Amino acid sequence: AQSVTQLGSHVSVSEGALVLLRCNYSSSVPPYLFWYVQYPNQGLQLLLKYTTGATLVKGINGFEAEFKKSETSFHLTKPSAHMSDAAEYFCAVTLNTGNQFYFGTGTSLTVIP
Amino acid sequence: NAGVMQNPRHLVRRRGQEARLRCSPMKGHSHVYWYRQLPEEGLKFMVYLQKENIIDESGMPKERFSAEFPKEGPSILRIQQVVRGDSAAYFCASSRLRASTDTQYFGPGTRLTVL
Repeated sequence: AQSVTQLGSHVSVSEGALVLLRCNYSSSVPPYLFWYVQYPNQGLQLLLKYTTGATLVKGINGFEAEFKKSETSFHLTKPSAHMSDAAEYFCAVTLNTGNQFYFGTGTSLTVIP
Repeated sequence: NAGVMQNPRHLVRRRGQEARLRCSPMKGHSHVYWYRQLPEEGLKFMVYLQKENIIDESGMPKERFSAEFPKEGPSILRIQQVVRGDSAAYFCASSRLRASTDTQYFGPGTRLTVL
């Protein structure tokens, strides 16, 4: 079975500072990994995904994530936080043959002016 | 191209009543997923449907919950005899192909409150 752990339910960064949101996964076979962002009272929006190929994946809004098989991690980063980045972020995993997506419990990002 | 539509956005029911949640996928999308989000938790998979067929309902409670995606019209998630523990946000997502090979687009959710 697959699962996702997001370390840190709340992260605060200053505007302009590095954003690092952590995600570790568990999967017995090569996973597909995703990061989603959720703004208040809205649905989830895909930021980026890793399926195969290059392990450093670039997404929208300046975010990127790196798939590290040896560490079973898929951490999300952004070099410089913007006020508009304040939101809830979810990491998710599935298999290429899977139907289910397994989501982490989310990390709430606060950006301090 | 309109996004995934869900209605109602907010639904209040008393214990024992029925709740019907609707999801209209994006145009051209025949794959629909339903998720439940409890407060302070991530999304939990409930059911995956492809036009007129339930592909995977392993995340759906065995009783009181059902889902359908008819040939015409929206997908419906039905909760019979609601209880307070059903209070949650219910999201649907659609994709053109199976979501692991395509991008899921999420609706804004229906927030169900059971009094």
